[in-house]
Amino acid sequence: GIQVEQSPPDLILQEGANSTLRCNFSDSVNNLQWFHQNPWGQLINLFYIPSGTKQNGRLSATTVATERYSLLYISSSQTTDSGVYFCAVEGSETSGSRLTFGEGTQLTVNP
Amino acid sequence: EPEVTQTPSHQVTQMGQEVILRCVPISNHLYFYWYRQILGQKVEFLVSFYNNEISEKSEIFDDQFSVERPDGSNFTLKIRSTKLEDSAMYFCASSPAGAAYEQYFGPGTRLTVT
Repeated sequence: GIQVEQSPPDLILQEGANSTLRCNFSDSVNNLQWFHQNPWGQLINLFYIPSGTKQNGRLSATTVATERYSLLYISSSQTTDSGVYFCAVEGSETSGSRLTFGEGTQLTVNP
Repeated sequence: EPEVTQTPSHQVTQMGQEVILRCVPISNHLYFYWYRQILGQKVEFLVSFYNNEISEKSEIFDDQFSVERPDGSNFTLKIRSTKLEDSAMYFCASSPAGAAYEQYFGPGTRLTVT
């Protein structure tokens, strides 16, 4: 099945810093989503972005489907941005619509 | 904004007991999913459901698991005889259609098997 790799695995920032999280995938995709898992374990939908660029406040994401990667940008980070960020993809070569998740990036933003 | 809801938020059960986790998908969605996340690990797909039948399942989804849409709004995951290794966060998701549509996730049910 499709492979998803996220980097870096861990990231520690000072409040106000910017960061870029990367998601590489091994095959073409129909769907790519970014999630933030908060301290209570909830998965918060950030972006549905199988291709192109989207922005939502301090967060933006870009997916270059032809080169099989996606980037999540966090600007002016805040302590509330801490948590695990997951990338999940649906491979276009599979018959179903399951999402395959990466291992995640653990982000810690210090005050 | 419509959202997926799940109950209970946390369930504690003894090994060997049956548990039913409940989900209410977004009302006009047609595809429903269950995923699980063992503590500290990534989220894994369990099963997808469409038109009152399983459309896809993973190797994790063995005979101990079953899913059902008992009425027009609920979608359930049953674990027949829980094991310690079933302890995990279980997420329900729904989407308007199948492939290439955004999946909307519920807040999860934390299952603890003792």
